[in-house]
Parts: sequence; C-alpha cells; structure tokens
Amino acid sequence: EVQLLESGGGLVQPGGSLRLSCAASGFTFSNYAMSWVRQAPGKGLEWVSAISGSGATTPYADSVKGRFTISRDNSKNTLYLQMNSLRAEDTAVYYCAKDLQGIALAGEFHSWGQGTLVTVSS
Amino acid sequence: AIQMTQSPSSLSASVGDRVTITCRASQGIRNDLGWYQQKPGKAPKLLIYAASSLQSGVPSRFSGSGSGTDFTLTISSLQPEDFATYFCLQDYSYPWTFGPGTKVEIK
Repeated sequence: EVQLLESGGGLVQPGGSLRLSCAASGFTFSNYAMSWVRQAPGKGLEWVSAISGSGATTPYADSVKGRFTISRDNSKNTLYLQMNSLRAEDTAVYYCAKDLQGIALAGEFHSWGQGTLVTVSS
Repeated sequence: AIQMTQSPSSLSASVGDRVTITCRASQGIRNDLGWYQQKPGKAPKLLIYAASSLQSGVPSRFSGSGSGTDFTLTISSLQPEDFATYFCLQDYSYPWTFGPGTKVEIK
C-alpha cells in the first residue's frame, strides 16, 4: 500500500524558512515523479512544484519560483520542499502527491499524503 | 499560464440525479486533463486522467470526456458519497493549473 507522510509544517514569521518532508513507502520511490500541491484555508488547489524520478526536472509555479526548491533523496525514499522568503499568502496545507505513471512528469496525482499545515504570520 | 474555469461553481442535486460539470481551458490542452474529488478535511482523490480514463477503483458512474479546450465530468447517478468538491487539472504545460472547483451539495 502506498503511503505518503508529510512533516515539517508549522508557524513561521514572514520572511522565514521552512523545510517540508514527505516520507514515502509501499512503492519503488525512485521510479515515480512526485509533486507538492497546496491549499490555502477555504480555497482551491494550487500545484506548487514537481520533480522527476531522477530529480533532473523540477518545474515550479510562478508564485513560488526563486523562493521554493523541490528535491528528493531516493536512498531515503523522501521528498522535500525547501521554502524560503515565506509570505502570508503561502499559508496553506501542503500535500505531497505521487504520479500515476512513472519517472517522467505527468501531473496525474494517484496518491496523496494527509497534508501538513504551514502558517506564515507574525 | 493556462487558465482553467469550471461551471457551475456549485450545484444542488438529489441522489440518483445525473450531474455534469464543465471545465474549460484558456487554450488547447489536447486531452491532458484530470478530475479530482475532494471531501472536507481530506486529500483529493484522482477520478479521471487523460480526460476520459477512469482511475482504477473509481465507480463506473463517473466518466470524463472532451479534448482541446472543453471537458466534462459526468456522474450518471449521484450517490450519497459523491457529495464533495470537484476540481479539474491541466497537465499540458507548466505551470500545471487547477480549476476553481465545483461543490456538489445535497438538494
């Protein structure tokens, strides 16, 4: 059974940094592209970033480009999101998601974690 | 970025009703579109990918159609567990973008 467990969320001041982690199990992690998707309180879904199975391809949403960095450690079956220069509008539940098909980025989110809440406030 | 719109933004329906939700892209996206269902406090669930492919384990009352700019999610006979919010997502080009959602409520 695929399991994705996010951690690292919390309260941070504007301008601060936070690193989210997503521990994966139940599948061969390196064989699948992964993404981060967020949802502000009471709002819709926003795709944040994705990473191919090898880590070579990493597109970003315009709203986070230059501030957030996605990465993965295939030896630890873990996905990361380094978030710098955080703003109030980054407040959201952050989900990690596994692609349906495989190594290449496809944007078909087959499995999701339970989410971790990031609150940016002074 | 490709903009996705959905209509209606919300609807009220009864158990057994046929429900249709529309998603429109600001430019052609071939069939690179998925549909997701989300219930309050839960992560989204993939229903349909590549516009019309039913994800394994999803009931056959759900179906998707369309290509280019106009897409449809149909629930042939609404069940109590289908009351939720539905989102479309284009993965044709970066940044991937979601529609704003359609909330399906009990009439």
